[in-house]
Amino acid sequence: GENVEQHPSTLSVQEGDSAVIKCTYSDSASNYFPWYKQELGKRPQLIIDIRSNVGEKKDQRIAVTLNKTAKHFSLHITETQPEDSAVYFCAASNPYGNNRLAFGKGNQVVVIP
Amino acid sequence: NAGVMQNPRHLVRRRGQEARLRCSPMKGHSHVYWYRQLPEEGLKFMVYLQKENIIDESGMPKERFSAEFPKEGPSILRIQQVVRGDSAAYFCASSPGAGNHGYTFGSGTRLTVV
Repeated sequence: GENVEQHPSTLSVQEGDSAVIKCTYSDSASNYFPWYKQELGKRPQLIIDIRSNVGEKKDQRIAVTLNKTAKHFSLHITETQPEDSAVYFCAASNPYGNNRLAFGKGNQVVVIP
Repeated sequence: NAGVMQNPRHLVRRRGQEARLRCSPMKGHSHVYWYRQLPEEGLKFMVYLQKENIIDESGMPKERFSAEFPKEGPSILRIQQVVRGDSAAYFCASSPGAGNHGYTFGSGTRLTVV
């Protein structure tokens, strides 16, 4: 099955700086890559996603890039704010897996005011 | 739109008891997914259901765990004879169709086995 890995496990950034989280996946058939944000004790929330037919997608301060050849995708958060502090999960799914998502273990992002 | 509703939010069970977790999908969504999240871990797929059908249960433990999504009412994840290792957050998600879509997760049920 699909195996998704995230790096680094913890990331501390100064407020206003950028944060980048990178994920790798193993299944070349994977074609859908969402990112979820989870605050402590709360549900994961979809913040952005990308499909394999595009290389980059942006939504205000958040962007995701996809490199299909290398099988990795990254989340970029610019001008970080304290409310960006959370655990971020990447995931991947393929067209044959019933929309079943394989999640990475998550990255703790800490934005230091 | 009330979103995906899960209850209870917190559930404490003694070892050997049964746990029943309920999930009502978003209005108009007929596809339900259950995931388990252990402390400081990612979410692990358990089961995917449509109304009255289990489509994919490849992530479900073979024993003690079962799931259903009846024609009427919420989806139920049932854990029989709970053990301490079942302690986790169980999240339900729903989607509108079978294609690859972003899920909407419920707030989860945090099961503690004592």
